Amino acid sequence: GAGVSQSPSNKVTEKGKDVELRCDPISGHTALYWYRQRLGQGLEFLIYFQGNSAPDKSGLPSDRFSAERTGESVSTLTIQRTQQEDSAVYLCASSFTAVTFSGNTIYFGEGSWLTVV
Amino acid sequence: AQKVTQAQTEISVVEKEDVTLDCVYETRDTTYYLFWYKQPPSGELVFLIRRNSFDEQNEISGRYSWNFQKSTSSFNFTITASQVVDSAVYFCALDLINQFYFGTGTSLTVIP
Repeated sequence: GAGVSQSPSNKVTEKGKDVELRCDPISGHTALYWYRQRLGQGLEFLIYFQGNSAPDKSGLPSDRFSAERTGESVSTLTIQRTQQEDSAVYLCASSFTAVTFSGNTIYFGEGSWLTVV
Repeated sequence: AQKVTQAQTEISVVEKEDVTLDCVYETRDTTYYLFWYKQPPSGELVFLIRRNSFDEQNEISGRYSWNFQKSTSSFNFTITASQVVDSAVYFCALDLINQFYFGTGTSLTVIP
């Protein structure tokens, strides 16, 4: 498709289980972001991938969170031993950006709604 | 430190009123971009506008207008003659080298 694709769109999981969220960025976009948005809250930066550079993981809230990206394509966000506080929508975004400066619009997916019960 | 501040958490206006959403940013960089995104109740984030730091000319697009003032580090967004469909959360964002910074959003409710 033409946009950023995320799956699953909705996920209900039991506390303590692991979950994987997938993001397919727009073809050709070198930058990929993961954000978290709790109900009624703003966007919380999690992690940023830019080409083959080391990712910026400064926003990951704990070591239960990790993310990988294969080249400049698909990314997977993994949450281990989920807690109820992890319930949120996880938004992926991508943009075409040079290493030195972007200034390019980032495009968001529709999000993966995670509910931990 | 918060790089983008949207001091207005929630705003309610009556339909057809004008409303301005404030955005103040912080950076020492001379080159940067500013954005506004809209998040309607359906949840997706929709790009509205991008402005670079060298272009302080105000912009108008239909009922939307943006006032960029470097002197006050502000990039405010005005909706003229608001409509119910404008009800959404609006995010201001700052694009520095390799990193976007989002404000916490302003929730706008337009009452019919």
